[in-house]
Amino acid sequence: EAGVAQSPRYKIIEKRQSVAFWCNPISGHATLYWYQQILGQGPKLLIQFQNNGVVDDSQLPKDRFSAERLKGVDSTLKIQPAKLEDSAVYLCASSPGTGMAGANVLTFGAGSRLTVL
Amino acid sequence: RKEVEQDPGPFNVPEGATVAFNCTYSNSASQSFFWYRQDCRKEPKLLMSVYSSGNEDGRFTAQLNRASQYISLLIRDSKLSDSATYLCVVNIGRDDKIIFGKGTRLHILP
Repeated sequence: EAGVAQSPRYKIIEKRQSVAFWCNPISGHATLYWYQQILGQGPKLLIQFQNNGVVDDSQLPKDRFSAERLKGVDSTLKIQPAKLEDSAVYLCASSPGTGMAGANVLTFGAGSRLTVL
Repeated sequence: RKEVEQDPGPFNVPEGATVAFNCTYSNSASQSFFWYRQDCRKEPKLLMSVYSSGNEDGRFTAQLNRASQYISLLIRDSKLSDSATYLCVVNIGRDDKIIFGKGTRLHILP
């Protein structure tokens, strides 16, 4: 079974620039999550999709972050404009979805490491 | 109060020793509980689910105390390869919203 794919693996930008991250979840997984992990901290949930609908985006800084999952499969997370404090690893995870076997078990991608200078 | 709280450590433990971590959660309606392991510069990976009756997987034992709202992880006969960050994870029950603690760093010393 193919895992969760993310790209790019690394990105360095200057503050006020924009960046986009892409995630392809495990085939058939209905739920997709984006987490932000700052060095030394646990993953912080930014946004959760169920198919192509947003379930929770309460922690997403909507003035600069946006995310979409148009066809209920791939997802893109965008930051515009970036700030120094956005330097982090952006982790995408997927799970089968509510009511499915292993519903709550997340499989993560390798992450996209962002450095904002 | 944070939704999931853990002692960040680090725990420095000699090889072969037993070590235990606790984690508390604030939402009494939380449904599912997990421990994930994260190696340095890697993504988190599921270590084990935590069931109400407690469960064991080899050297690892997880327990849940719903009344006190905490979960625990016990590692027996620790190995050098157990060195990692252990993340406490809670499904707070609304649409599978999965929240992570900040993690507990474990260093196993030779």
